[in-house]
Amino acid sequence: KNEVEQSPQNLTAQEGEFITINCSYSVGISALHWLQQHPGGGIVSLFMLSSGKKKHGRLIATINIQEKHSSLHITASHPRDSAVYICAVPTSGSRLTFGEGTQLTVNP
Amino acid sequence: GAVVSQHPSRVICKSGTSVKIECRSLDFQATTMFWYRQFPKQSLMLMATSNEGSKATYEQGVEKDKFLINHASLTLSTLTVTSAHPEDSSFYICSARETSSYEQYFGPGTRLTVT
Repeated sequence: KNEVEQSPQNLTAQEGEFITINCSYSVGISALHWLQQHPGGGIVSLFMLSSGKKKHGRLIATINIQEKHSSLHITASHPRDSAVYICAVPTSGSRLTFGEGTQLTVNP
Repeated sequence: GAVVSQHPSRVICKSGTSVKIECRSLDFQATTMFWYRQFPKQSLMLMATSNEGSKATYEQGVEKDKFLINHASLTLSTLTVTSAHPEDSSFYICSARETSSYEQYFGPGTRLTVT
């Protein structure tokens, strides 16, 4: 079993739909990262959260430390949201273990 | 927010030559930086942890003599791919951990193609 598991692996949505991407992890952590990687390859840090919920624009991230689960939500999705979304957790000091990513495609 | 830059963003080199990639934290100090490699359709793989003023810590299977890492200041780490071969062609990404907050920020990546 991987230390970090994401679902779904692939997700296709129509513009305007509400998107949810899930991340489960098996180790105790201090914080969880959500990252976005566009087709060109560059990675953007979306959130780092250790409890509760964070919101930035149309993006919302939640985490439940007891259940070892986090979700990333996108409201009113747009084609420019198409990217790979990756969750990552620190497993040894600052070293991050990454999920395999969720490929999101939002069609107009 | 905090910004990490990488230079170059894209490089093509001939087999046998060396290539240096720079990773800079632009508006914060980073005692620790990380170097990752990503092959197509795969997740990031940690290559090494770079600590300012000391030797880098390499992950198992990563040749330290081939991937030279220097972290000479609190805002700059460099990765030099020595005697590059086509199989070194990959996307190299750095991240920097802010000294005060421990938050990590990622660079935009460097696409290396060895011909």
